[in-house]
Amino acid sequence: DAKTTQPTSMDCAEGRAANLPCNHSTISGNEYVYWYRQIHSQGPQYIIHGLKNNETNEMASLIITEDRKSSTLILPHATLRDTAVYYCIVRVAEAGNKLTFGGGTRVLVKP
Amino acid sequence: DSGVTQTPKHLITATGQRVTLRCSPRSGDLSVYWYQQSLDQGLQFLIQYYNGEERAKGNILERFSAQQFPDLHSELNLSSLELGDSALYFCASSPSLRREIHEQYFGPGTRLTVT
Repeated sequence: DAKTTQPTSMDCAEGRAANLPCNHSTISGNEYVYWYRQIHSQGPQYIIHGLKNNETNEMASLIITEDRKSSTLILPHATLRDTAVYYCIVRVAEAGNKLTFGGGTRVLVKP
Repeated sequence: DSGVTQTPKHLITATGQRVTLRCSPRSGDLSVYWYQQSLDQGLQFLIQYYNGEERAKGNILERFSAQQFPDLHSELNLSSLELGDSALYFCASSPSLRREIHEQYFGPGTRLTVT
């Protein structure tokens, strides 16, 4: 699985968009980008994934650069409940593949 | 609520003891994963079962073992416990081995404290 690099931490103002970057310069053509988050010692929660096109769901948007070497997770209107550690994971979508978590980005949403 | 349940929520035990952690996957999910989260190692994959069979192994110690039962619930057995085994243990499940299934659903975890 490709290695990812994320900032250790970032702050965000409540109600504003939070843009979380992730570098994955060694990503292979068949590897997807996944985002999970973990709210204070709870189980990680799936947010979104993508291969090369931008993706949007009810939680967030995922923007993947054309060369696929980096991506940005966008939380459009951050709330205090979005305070969490966000993990960017790159992996082949083989059936039942494990998740390899890095250090993630600790996001603090401030009022 | 992910639909994955884990028991117990907290466990305190002494070094050298043995404990069993239990996981019930989401209804219909065939694949179960176990992860360990400690302060110094982060979230690490331990082992995966699919429909009763071991499918993948990660950084699981020989003192640890797991199994998945016919009703698909899984148990993680930790023996000869050491202080360093203190951690959060998460179970996750996913529906099948179909390629288009991407998400894993995590339980609330079991916090193990070894004293």
